Amino acid sequence: DIVMTQSPDSLAVSLGERATIDCKSSQSVLFSSNNRDYLAWYQQKPGQPPKLLFYWASMRESGVPDRFSGSGSGTDFRLTISSLQAEDVAVYYCQQYYRSPFTFGPGTRVEIK
Amino acid sequence: QMQLVQSGAEVKKPEASVKVSCKPSGYTSIDYYMHWVRQAPGQGLEWMAWINPNTGATDYAQKFQGRVTVTRDTSITTFSMELSNLRSDDTAVYYCARGAVAAARPNWHFDLWGRGTLVTVS
Repeated sequence: DIVMTQSPDSLAVSLGERATIDCKSSQSVLFSSNNRDYLAWYQQKPGQPPKLLFYWASMRESGVPDRFSGSGSGTDFRLTISSLQAEDVAVYYCQQYYRSPFTFGPGTRVEIK
Repeated sequence: QMQLVQSGAEVKKPEASVKVSCKPSGYTSIDYYMHWVRQAPGQGLEWMAWINPNTGATDYAQKFQGRVTVTRDTSITTFSMELSNLRSDDTAVYYCARGAVAAARPNWHFDLWGRGTLVTVS
């Protein structure tokens, strides 16, 4: 199985400041034939299901604010919130869909400092 | 508006089985894979299985092999996930989530999620 790790486990950021979450896969999730990274990011707020933020590592889902960005390739990925807003408090998960089982990272909790 | 409507919360005894249903609306359900993901209390997300509603093909996480079955009804309007021989650590919220178009490979992100079904084993 592809193991996904995330760092940090949690972070507290002041409103308006940058938040950065890293995600690492135990093997590359880049499919060479189409040059796509099979990596998604989800946001989950308390009591709600996960919400898709990014797919193919950096493609923003419709409706996601542009203060969110996704980057990286191969085994190393990053989710950045450029200016944290109160409504961004949530747990963020990365997921690989390169190979079954489609494993998730353990999640990173983002809070307001 | 597209949504996945899941069945209500369940309380089960150990060794029993539970069946959770998921009914898509707002799109043609035969056109997309359906995945099942669970989340134990205070824990992360765990992928369990997918089904291709067009072909009936399934894939299961090895951890659940032999205990989980995902199906779609013959009219392909409702999907179900049945988990047998329940244990206390199966207590979790179970989600259905839409994946790839059924004509493609299942390797795709999950763009639509149900609200979840809490299954308590006690």
